[in-house]
Amino acid sequence: QKEVEQNSGPLSVPEGAIASLNCTYSDRGSQSFFWYRQYSGKSPELIMSIYSNGDKEDGRFTAQLNKASQYVSLLIRDSQPSDSATYLCAVNPSLISSGSARQLTFGSGTQLTVLP
Amino acid sequence: GAVVSQHPSWVICKSGTSVKIECRSLDFQATTMFWYRQFPKQSLMLMATSNEGSKATYEQGVEKDKFLINHASLTLSTLTVTSAHPEDSSFYICSVATSGYYEQYFGPGTRLTVT
Repeated sequence: QKEVEQNSGPLSVPEGAIASLNCTYSDRGSQSFFWYRQYSGKSPELIMSIYSNGDKEDGRFTAQLNKASQYVSLLIRDSQPSDSATYLCAVNPSLISSGSARQLTFGSGTQLTVLP
Repeated sequence: GAVVSQHPSWVICKSGTSVKIECRSLDFQATTMFWYRQFPKQSLMLMATSNEGSKATYEQGVEKDKFLINHASLTLSTLTVTSAHPEDSSFYICSVATSGYYEQYFGPGTRLTVT
């Protein structure tokens, strides 16, 4: 069983619509959750982070976290063609203990295409 | 967030030669950096965790003698691909892990082509 699962897509939405990207994780002790955007041929770019249950909004992006269901999602409102990319869900798998940096577990990514 | 640079951005080398890739944290003292590899249309694959002043920790299946990692300072980690072969052609990306909630910031990546 994969530790972080995402629908690989491709997901296509028309311009102006809401794109909904989903991610589930297996480690109940996970504390930090991130969404990265990766354009073709480029490296990932951090776009959202969320640490507590509920919603977190930043511009057109909203991250949602439900720890009981082990589910995190990303909503993109008013989708634009420039949002077309692969979106990676990443999870920090356990509580901070020693203060040393820990690895992130990445999902395989969802490819989003926004159609003009 | 942290600003990370990589050099070179792309490199072509002949089979059997070695290539060094530099990863620099420009505005953050990084005790930990990560090295990833990504093949076309595939997800990120963590190769190793680079810790300043100590030996790197390699993921299972990654040859430590082939992929040499040195993290000599809080701002610089290097990855050397030794005796490169065409199957080592890939996109190599480093990241800096911040403290606190451990978000990672990625460098722009280095595209390696071995002929």
